[in-house]
Amino acid sequence: EPEVTQTPSHQVTQMGQEVILRCVPISNHLYFYWYRQILGQKVEFLVSFYNNEISEKSEIFDDQFSVERPDGSNFTLKIRSTKLEDSAMYFCASSEYNNYGYTFGSGTRLTVV
Amino acid sequence: AQTVTQSQPEMSVQEAETVTLSCTYDTSESDYYLFWYKQPPSRQMILVIRQEAYKQQNATENRFSVNFQKAAKSFSLKISDSQLGDAAMYFCAYRDSNYGGSQGNLIFGKGTKLSVKP
Repeated sequence: EPEVTQTPSHQVTQMGQEVILRCVPISNHLYFYWYRQILGQKVEFLVSFYNNEISEKSEIFDDQFSVERPDGSNFTLKIRSTKLEDSAMYFCASSEYNNYGYTFGSGTRLTVV
Repeated sequence: AQTVTQSQPEMSVQEAETVTLSCTYDTSESDYYLFWYKQPPSRQMILVIRQEAYKQQNATENRFSVNFQKAAKSFSLKISDSQLGDAAMYFCAYRDSNYGGSQGNLIFGKGTKLSVKP
């Protein structure tokens, strides 16, 4: 069964550093998403991406965050100048056009120290 | 704004027994989708079951079934013949059916932690 692949599985970074979280969506999917789950809390929507541009973003997704699809296969989330409160599990998801199902990746655990 | 509420932070069930996890939601939309996701200790989000609001028939996937009450805005998950591998966090989620050019984002509840006793 096709999978959404996320790398790395765990990232530790110093506060103030930039991190890039990577995702390879399912190849025929057209819609891509990032979600975040702070430990012990609910999963929160960050951003959706379609046709090479952001289609929706939450209030969490401020100027510190950016997304891009640099090469037609990878989908990245960049966090500039990380803060302690950015520590969370970050999930990438993708979905096919006119298909209401999402497939999530296994997540990247980001720890900011 | 749409909200999803899971009123049971934790539940416990004996192996081979049946358990029901509750979920209520609030929306002014008439057409939408509802989901249950399982998150085991590995933290991966796994789709368990989904329901389209326009379908009256309750969705079923093997040992998992839902009780969808549209008027009451209730969407409970029933797990039959519970197995040790069912132990996980379970999240209820909502999504509008049509959101511009995108698929729309999922709105999650806070989750219910299910323990399965041998």
